[in-house]
Amino acid sequence: GENVEQHPSTLSVQEGDSAVIKCTYSDSASNYFPWYKQELGKRPQLIIDIRSNVGEKKDQRIAVTLNKTAKHFSLHITETQPEDSAVYFCAAMAGSYQLTFGKGTKLSVIP
Amino acid sequence: EPEVTQTPSHQVTQMGQEVILRCVPISNHLYFYWYRQILGQKVEFLVSFYNNEISEKSEIFDDQFSVERPDGSNFTLKIRSTKLEDSAMYFCASSGPPAGPGEQYFGPGTRLTVT
Repeated sequence: GENVEQHPSTLSVQEGDSAVIKCTYSDSASNYFPWYKQELGKRPQLIIDIRSNVGEKKDQRIAVTLNKTAKHFSLHITETQPEDSAVYFCAAMAGSYQLTFGKGTKLSVIP
Repeated sequence: EPEVTQTPSHQVTQMGQEVILRCVPISNHLYFYWYRQILGQKVEFLVSFYNNEISEKSEIFDDQFSVERPDGSNFTLKIRSTKLEDSAMYFCASSGPPAGPGEQYFGPGTRLTVT
């Protein structure tokens, strides 16, 4: 089955700096890659996603890039703010509807 | 904006007891899922459900687990005989249309504590 690796496990940045979280996946059939933000004790919230026919997608301060050849995708957050502090999970979906998640990255934005 | 809802928010049960976790997916969605998250760990897929039957299940979803859509709005997860290791946060999710099945929206979760 699919295996998703996520790095780093923790990330601290100064407010206003950029943050980058990277994921790799194993199943070349995977074609959908969402990113979820989870604040402490709350539900995972879909923040951005990308499909395999696209290399990059942006939504205001967040962007996701996908390299299908290398089987990796990344989340980029620019101009970080304290409210960006949370755990971020990447995920991958192959032909089925099952999401396979990475282990998460705890992002801390220091004011 | 419509959201997935779940009840109860916290369930405490004794080992060996049956529990039913309830979910109300987003009203026009057709695909339903259960995931679990053990404290501090990643979210793990349990089962997907479409057209009134299970589409896919993981190795976690053994004979102790079952799902049901008893009416047009509810989606339930039953654990017949709970074990200590079933203690986790259980998330229900739903997806599409208009988006595809991948764009899954999660409920707030039910924290299950087995003592």
